[in-house]
Amino acid sequence: DIVMTQSPDSLAVSLGERATINCKSSQSVLSSSNNKNYLAWYQQKPGQPPKLLIYWASTRESGVPDRFSGSGSGTDFTLTITSLQAEDVAVYYCQHYYTTPLAFGGGTKVEIK
Amino acid sequence: EVQLVESGGGLVQPGGSLRLSCAASGFTFSDHYMDWVRQAPGKGLEWVCRSRTKASSYTTDCAASVKGRFTISRDDSRDSLYLEMNSLKTEDTAVYYCARGIWPVGANDYWGQGTLVTVSS
Repeated sequence: DIVMTQSPDSLAVSLGERATINCKSSQSVLSSSNNKNYLAWYQQKPGQPPKLLIYWASTRESGVPDRFSGSGSGTDFTLTITSLQAEDVAVYYCQHYYTTPLAFGGGTKVEIK
Repeated sequence: EVQLVESGGGLVQPGGSLRLSCAASGFTFSDHYMDWVRQAPGKGLEWVCRSRTKASSYTTDCAASVKGRFTISRDDSRDSLYLEMNSLKTEDTAVYYCARGIWPVGANDYWGQGTLVTVSS
């Protein structure tokens, strides 16, 4: 089974500054058949279901602000929020969907400094 | 508008059973893989089970933590997804979300609001 590890557990960033979240998979989630990384990022605010931000490691979901970006390949991935806004306070999760069992990282809580 | 509405949660004693339902609308349900994902109070997300489409022979998979106790099923004629939960344990207490997989195989782009399952004596 593929295990997802996120870091840091929490992060405090000033408004307008950059937030960077890391995610590592225990095995590669890059498919050799289509050259796609089966990696997604979600945002979850209190009392709400998760919201898809990024899929295929770097494709932004429709309607997601362009301050959110994903990068990485193979086993190492990054979610970057440039110019953090107050509404970005949330917990962020990475997920692989390469094969079952799917798995999520432990989450990173982003707060305002 | 895509909508996923879960129902069936509640309080159940350890060892008991419960059946969750997810009613889908606003999209062609039969075209999509569907997942159940749960979240224990104050904890992270945990994938529970997946239901694949007719094109994938309606195969299913579940996490090791629930295998043999939980069964996922779907009724494409009713645009509905189900989770039959038996031999419930206190550690199964969580909000259970129904989530759609991006066609043909992908991340979960739409989620329901969730239904709370509490396993306690």
